[in-house]
Amino acid sequence: EIVVTQSPATLSVSPGERATLSCRVSKSISTYLAWYQQKPGQAPRLLIYNASNRATGIPARFSGSGSGTDFTLTINSLEPEDFAVYYCFGGTFGGGTKVEIK
Amino acid sequence: QLQQSGPGLVRPSQTLSLTCDISGDRVSSNVVAWTWIRQSPSRGLEWLGKTYFKSKWYSDYAAAVKGRLTINSDTSKNQFFLQLTSVTPEDTAVYYCARERAVAGTFDFWGQGTPVIVSS
Repeated sequence: EIVVTQSPATLSVSPGERATLSCRVSKSISTYLAWYQQKPGQAPRLLIYNASNRATGIPARFSGSGSGTDFTLTINSLEPEDFAVYYCFGGTFGGGTKVEIK
Repeated sequence: QLQQSGPGLVRPSQTLSLTCDISGDRVSSNVVAWTWIRQSPSRGLEWLGKTYFKSKWYSDYAAAVKGRLTINSDTSKNQFFLQLTSVTPEDTAVYYCARERAVAGTFDFWGQGTPVIVSS
């Protein structure tokens, strides 16, 4: 069974700064990785699919990279609405990274 | 758009049944899969399984619920369903239906979520 590990668990960032989130998968999945954003009381929202493709309507400040077992989600110049929990999915979901206001 | 319905309270050992109504797509589309995912504080987000049509119907299930979970569909009503048997308090969670696009793991549309409590 694939194990997906996200780090850090919590990331404290000031608005306008960059956030870098990591996702590691226990075996190679090529680029079959997606990133999701979830806010309280809402369903997760697709941000990135196939490791680096932005979903429809997702701002350009969100970018994804990586292949094999190591993946990164970068959020440039954080906006107030970006503070949320982020999950990656590579066969199973990771435990999430909470991006909070510093 | 996906609209979920079903009970919010299920007794232990009973069967949890949820429905997901699809609008804007066909359950019989051969380029997507129809998926159930749940979320709880103890287990996080958990992919449960999916059903899809490629000349015939297929279903895949997560190992953790295999044997208890059935996902199927009704093409005449454009719906798909979750049935989870022999529920325990560990099955308490928010359940989501979602559409998975051609690239695996790409859940691009989600239902609103159904909170389910398993309790006597």
